[in-house]
Amino acid sequence: GAVVSQHPSWVICKSGTSVKIECRSLDFQATTMFWYRQFPKQSLMLMATSNEGSKATYEQGVEKDKFLINHASLTLSTLTVTSAHPEDSSFYICSARDTGTNQPQHFGDGTRLSIL
Amino acid sequence: RKEVEQDPGPFNVPEGATVAFNCTYSNSASQSFFWYRQDCRKEPKLLMSVYSSGNEDGRFTAQLNRASQYISLLIRDSKLSDSATYLCVVNMGTGRRALTFGSGTRLQVQP
Repeated sequence: GAVVSQHPSWVICKSGTSVKIECRSLDFQATTMFWYRQFPKQSLMLMATSNEGSKATYEQGVEKDKFLINHASLTLSTLTVTSAHPEDSSFYICSARDTGTNQPQHFGDGTRLSIL
Repeated sequence: RKEVEQDPGPFNVPEGATVAFNCTYSNSASQSFFWYRQDCRKEPKLLMSVYSSGNEDGRFTAQLNRASQYISLLIRDSKLSDSATYLCVVNMGTGRRALTFGSGTRLQVQP
């Protein structure tokens, strides 16, 4: 069964709206979760690393004020796309990994965001 | 040079064929390796980890060559349901806990 749950799976909204995406680890505690974005026919690109109880670490070129990340508990991280515009339309996927260096990452189902 | 490099394909093969994908990675200190499968408009799912001695899971065989910084995936007796994008994934170490993804190799198995 799923070990990482992501919600919602599909969002369509108007330009200027802020959208919150939730990511939960179901079977384990995740001190670290990851947020990726994938545009059509492109690879997953890491946006940020979400750290429980502290600030997220953003990859180069990702605006921290635009993509707000909150990791308030060991099982929940949220990504808020603030004032979304059509160019933010993408597939957003979270993942988490259990403890241990060589553990694979498990992904949520992803959120398809369409901004009109 | 990309950190993880794959041939994008597509590989079009008939059912029953054997197909192999290759992947190279740039960081010799990389610690762990995986193959993920991603279906169209879906999230990636772990197919198998790749171990130094090579490993097999049913029709799938993964190999790792640390000296050449090269990973492979072999699929035998291809099924229609194997059609997907196969992602080579590496834990680069260097303090990064996130995995680094290749851009994927698309496989289309045809009847």
